[in-house]
Amino acid sequence: GAGVSQTPSNKVTEKGKYVELRCDPISGHTALYWYRQSLGQGPEFLIYFQGTGAADDSGLPNDRFFAVRPEGSVSTLKIQRTERGDSAVYLCASRETSNAGDGYTFGSGTRLTVV
Amino acid sequence: GQQVMQIPQYQHVQEGEDFTTYCNSSTTLSNIQWYKQRPGGHPVFLIQLVKSGEVKKQKRLTFQFGEAKKNSSLHITATQTTDVGTYFCAGHQAGTALIFGKGTTLSVSS
Repeated sequence: GAGVSQTPSNKVTEKGKYVELRCDPISGHTALYWYRQSLGQGPEFLIYFQGTGAADDSGLPNDRFFAVRPEGSVSTLKIQRTERGDSAVYLCASRETSNAGDGYTFGSGTRLTVV
Repeated sequence: GQQVMQIPQYQHVQEGEDFTTYCNSSTTLSNIQWYKQRPGGHPVFLIQLVKSGEVKKQKRLTFQFGEAKKNSSLHITATQTTDVGTYFCAGHQAGTALIFGKGTTLSVSS
C-alpha cells in the first residue's frame, strides 16, 4: 500500500481482556517496528522485526505483550490480560531494510483505552 | 541504557521569531533522526544526520549533529503557524532500535 496501515484506529476494552492490534507495512519493507506513545511522551520502543523474525524484543514491558509477523508482511501486536496502564497509542512503523538510511514511516496508530 | 533528552519541553513564540530545540544523548550515537508530530497526528520523518559535525538545511530548518555525536539541534528561522507541533529527536546506537526523546512542543501565535 501507499503507507503504513493500522487497524483498528481506536479500541476500547475492559481490564483483563485480550486485544490484537494489526499493522500492514509499506509493501516491500522488510523492517517493521512497534512503538507505544503515552500522552506528552515520545514513542517508546517495543519490538522490531526483520522479515519474519523478531530481531529485538527488548522493549516489550512484560510477558503479556507478544507480537508476530508470520509471513514477513502484516504484524499483529497481542496484549493479554490488559491493564489500565496499557492505555496508549500504539504506533507501527516500517522501512525498506533495517540498514536503510531513511527514516521510519509511521502509521496513524491505534489508540487503546483500557477501562 | 541509552537515554535521549530534549529541551525545552514547551516553547511558545510569536510568528516570525526563531525557535531552537536541543537534544542530548547519554551515549555516542551512530546517527540521529528528527521527526515532527502535528497535534493528533503521528511522527513524520524530517531528516537523518550521520557524520560528526554535520549540518543540514531544509528551507527554514537547520539541523546540526555535534562533534562528539552525542548532541543535536534543530533551529527554525522565522517561524510560521504551520510549524506548530512536537519535534522529536531520536537516536540509534549501533545495532539498537531508534530511541526517542520526549519532544519539544512548539506553539506559534500570529
